[in-house]
Amino acid sequence: DTGVSQNPRHKITKRGQNVTFRCDPISEHNRLYWYRQTLGQGPEFLTYFQNEAQLEKSRLLSDRFSAERPKGSFSTLEIQRTEQGDSAMYLCASSLGTGSIRDTEAFFGQGTRLTVV
Amino acid sequence: DAKTTQPTSMDCAEGRAANLPCNHSTISGNEYVYWYRQIHSQGPQYIIHGLKNNETNEMASLIITEDRKSSTLILPHATLRDTAVYYCIVTDSNYQLIWGAGTKLIIKP
Repeated sequence: DTGVSQNPRHKITKRGQNVTFRCDPISEHNRLYWYRQTLGQGPEFLTYFQNEAQLEKSRLLSDRFSAERPKGSFSTLEIQRTEQGDSAMYLCASSLGTGSIRDTEAFFGQGTRLTVV
Repeated sequence: DAKTTQPTSMDCAEGRAANLPCNHSTISGNEYVYWYRQIHSQGPQYIIHGLKNNETNEMASLIITEDRKSSTLILPHATLRDTAVYYCIVTDSNYQLIWGAGTKLIIKP
């Protein structure tokens, strides 16, 4: 257990439905990341937060995707009008994020596996 | 795009040292090399990172060539639980990790 918690672990949804995932990072970690991973590939960066500020978004993050970290603690990732191509593992990670390279070790959650049918 | 090249898969006998190579010929002077691994159905796990000096911790050793264009992760006494996908990653200027497809390491009894 890395201390990063993701819920739910699995989600099956029908195409066109909205889904929301939650990530609870390690409590003292300022930086929080979202990644997407498909079978046989490494994680693909989606977005990250420094405290409550969303500092970077990948071009992979279409307008159907939105992420929030309202109080700089937990984060949610919402996908609207899901498509079959959204089926993937969604990973959350956190790090101290003080700006020093020594603090960039990221701790990952177990992920949420989304299946869109 | 990932800045590293790794073999797709490797085998190693249990109890032997597993040596995982990685090429990063375009690495720049201030970019670090990170290694993570991912055991099936789990999130990635940090192993080690380095800039230009060799590094060792309780999990592994990282050997970086003098020109920094390649590195080797060494698991000194591989066990069956070390079977995983191992990712060699070079950070970008924002310290973001850019992931490739990794090496699938299979430890055989």
